[in-house]
Amino acid sequence: QKEVEQNSGPLSVPEGAIASLNCTYSDRGSQSFFWYRQYSGKSPELIMSIYSNGDKEDGRFTAQLNKASQYVSLLIRDSQPSDSATYLCAVVAGGTSYGKLTFGQGTILTVHP
Amino acid sequence: ETGVTQSPTHLIKTRGQQVTLRCSSQSGHNTVSWYQQALGQGPQFIFQYYREEENGRGNFPPRFSGLQFPNYSSELNVNALELDDSALYLCASSLPQGGGVAQYFGPGTRLLVL
Repeated sequence: QKEVEQNSGPLSVPEGAIASLNCTYSDRGSQSFFWYRQYSGKSPELIMSIYSNGDKEDGRFTAQLNKASQYVSLLIRDSQPSDSATYLCAVVAGGTSYGKLTFGQGTILTVHP
Repeated sequence: ETGVTQSPTHLIKTRGQQVTLRCSSQSGHNTVSWYQQALGQGPQFIFQYYREEENGRGNFPPRFSGLQFPNYSSELNVNALELDDSALYLCASSLPQGGGVAQYFGPGTRLLVL
């Protein structure tokens, strides 16, 4: 079992729709969760961080965390073609004193006009 | 822009050679982490430096080594390059507040080993 799993996609949504990206993780002691966006040929860009169960909203983005189910999701409302990118879920496992990010393989999102 | 810079942007080497990649952290950040990202994969943690000491290491062989300098900039050195070392090498800087702090990535160095 991979430590962090994402559906590689591609996920295709029409402009204006809600895009839902999902991530599961194996280490039940994980405490810190991040979503990064990566455009083709570029480096990852931090979108959201979440540490507690529940929802966290930032503009059009909402991160959802359910530690009991070991599940993190990212919702993108009013999706735009500029949101087309690879979305990476990253987790810091429990029990480490340093910030090793473990990434999923990423979900490719395509927003079509 | 995160304020993290890396050099060079691209590099071509041949198998068996050695390479040094450089990173300058964002202002105020004294922790630097290095990641390797193969095509179509998520980044893989190589190691982290804090206060000029290696603070954690991933599953990479000893031919991957690093340094951090007093100004918090960092180097990644790879000896005896192999074809599989071809990847995007990412540097990320952060504050040292334990494992939960967000990391901000530089633009990366794309290494091709022939």
